[in-house]
Amino acid sequence: DVKVTQSSRYLVKRTGEKVFLECVQDMDHENMFWYRQDPGLGLRLIYFSYDVKMKEKGDIPEGYSVSREKKERFSLILESASTNQTSMYLCASSSPYRAGSPLHFGNGTRLTVT
Amino acid sequence: DAKTTQPPSMDCAEGRAANLPCNHSTISGNEYVYWYRQIHSQGPQYIIHGLKNNETNEMASLIITEDRKSSTLILPHATLRDTAVYYCIVPYSGAGSYQLTFGKGTKLSVIP
Repeated sequence: DVKVTQSSRYLVKRTGEKVFLECVQDMDHENMFWYRQDPGLGLRLIYFSYDVKMKEKGDIPEGYSVSREKKERFSLILESASTNQTSMYLCASSSPYRAGSPLHFGNGTRLTVT
Repeated sequence: DAKTTQPPSMDCAEGRAANLPCNHSTISGNEYVYWYRQIHSQGPQYIIHGLKNNETNEMASLIITEDRKSSTLILPHATLRDTAVYYCIVPYSGAGSYQLTFGKGTKLSVIP
């Protein structure tokens, strides 16, 4: 079974702190994604990566950056956390787009910025 | 990317079939339809996907209309554990990669 592991289930940080959210997948997937999920807004794509050291902006990249130094690991960075970044963060991975390549999600990190 | 439209909520009696509709009228010929669900406090779970033909797996069946403008996810015997938000998605593909845009989905409540 594919496993996508997010390093923390719950995280509390202060405004202005630099925050790292880590995600690791064990299926040698090329694609990795970061989403955030807020009540009433569904899932929104922040960044994605289709190869090591490659990254593409999603729909809401402002205030975030990412790092993909190794194929299995995709990190989301909040350079200076703000209260409006309090959210559930979901990481996902997949093979390149072709028949039968769904996204596999981790269980999420619930981040609270105070 | 092709947009999808789903009803915001549905109820289903336990043990009955749950039929969740989705409209994707702007879908193009080579785009797949994917279904995911999300149970409270967990990450989304892949259910099934299809292109033109109907598909079935251990979790569900997917019926796609001949014109491909709509589809229906069928959970044949809904249980309380199927209570979740169900997302119908048509991925955007390009530049060797693709991304899924999740809308608000359908909140399915299975009632005892």
